[in-house]
Amino acid sequence: DAGITQSPRHKVTETGTPVTLRCHQTENHRYMYWYRQDPGHGLRLIHYSYGVKDTDKGEVSDGYSVSRSKTEDFLLTLESATSSQTSVYFCAIREDWEETQYFGPGTRLLVL
Amino acid sequence: SQQGEEDPQALSIQEGENATMNCSYKTSINNLQWYRQNSGRGLVHLILIRSNEREKHSGRLRVTLDTSKKSSSLLITASRAADTASYFCATGGTGANSKLTFGKGITLSVRP
Repeated sequence: DAGITQSPRHKVTETGTPVTLRCHQTENHRYMYWYRQDPGHGLRLIHYSYGVKDTDKGEVSDGYSVSRSKTEDFLLTLESATSSQTSVYFCAIREDWEETQYFGPGTRLLVL
Repeated sequence: SQQGEEDPQALSIQEGENATMNCSYKTSINNLQWYRQNSGRGLVHLILIRSNEREKHSGRLRVTLDTSKKSSSLLITASRAADTASYFCATGGTGANSKLTFGKGITLSVRP
């Protein structure tokens, strides 16, 4: 497995609370991605990063922010969680010179 | 919006049979990739085919790409119970910061 970990793996939170998910890699890959996976929608890109402090929006970025202060960590923050953000969140990484993405194990988030 | 659309949505076959899964897409691509996801796990890359390639093999996997029809197929030969998983096609664009767009996935069940 690629050296990607996600924390926490499971989280239950209440509507309106802030939530931060962490993706950590040991591969020194330049690109990092956050996706959400929902039944009937497949994987949808939330945000991605192409370097330290370099991030951009994906398809479903509303309600989410990200930060990348060092190569190995990419944080996804839900400023005020809503029930529609209940989902499974996956982090992925990619080396600069290839197109293949390597996925973390996922974080299952339930917003009550 | 989803770029890739897989067909069928679900497939059930007997062990030893071949499984064929299809993916159609809408816009020009640089490459098309297939990923597998076992229940409760992250996605695992299976195979990548570039837009200037027509067919590619990897073990029991055979992928074809028809850019004129904007479609791809993944064939798994001599299926095994361990092939039971969800399969996703993902299309990649051009450019340094190109992203993958995933389909909704196909659920494959291989009966022992």
